[in-house]
Amino acid sequence: DTGVSQNPRHKITKRGQNVTFRCDPISEHNRLYWYRQTLGQGPEFLTYFQNEAQLEKSRLLSDRFSAERPKGSFSTLEIQRTEQGDSAMYLCASSATGGQNTEAFFGQGTRLTVV
Amino acid sequence: AQSVSQHNHHVILSEAASLELGCNYSYGGTVNLFWYVQYPGQHLQLLLKYFSGDPLVKGIKGFEAEFIKSKFSFNLRKPSVQWSDTAEYFCAVKNNDYKLSFGAGTTVTVRA
Repeated sequence: DTGVSQNPRHKITKRGQNVTFRCDPISEHNRLYWYRQTLGQGPEFLTYFQNEAQLEKSRLLSDRFSAERPKGSFSTLEIQRTEQGDSAMYLCASSATGGQNTEAFFGQGTRLTVV
Repeated sequence: AQSVSQHNHHVILSEAASLELGCNYSYGGTVNLFWYVQYPGQHLQLLLKYFSGDPLVKGIKGFEAEFIKSKFSFNLRKPSVQWSDTAEYFCAVKNNDYKLSFGAGTTVTVRA
């Protein structure tokens, strides 16, 4: 499968613990996005990378959240000191360069439950 | 900031019925418009997209959407639904940048 891959698929953690998620984009895509989706809502933009550069962070991304894409390939999203409000589906997407007329391809997401 | 409204939260219909899902966005200018579908247990998949040109866009699985610029709308249609169309449908808009703004989604349940 050459689509966007996310690991783990599910994560249950205790409040206060740190968690890290991984995203492997489609190999030739140099744009990578993280979104968060809560129940009954559409995905909300969190952050965006072009190659290894993080170009934008949403104000939804508090200081407890950090994302990296060290070599311009896979990306990690870390949440420190998790809170119950962090429970959500975390989605990764990637797209190719080519101006505005490109589409994003999504992974299956990592479902985080903070207990 | 762009906001996207989907008119229906949940739609229930019988097989062979026609489907129309409304989508309106708030901010004009140059827009790219998308409908994504999420089948149970699966990831978001692109149904169709509009970048420019003919405002009537045809997508996969018999879906189509019409971009009406004056109404800031991009409604999704299918003339005859099947049980396999049961899914959640999301409208998304991209302005002159790279990030998508999504609507809250519409759950479509097709009864056999």
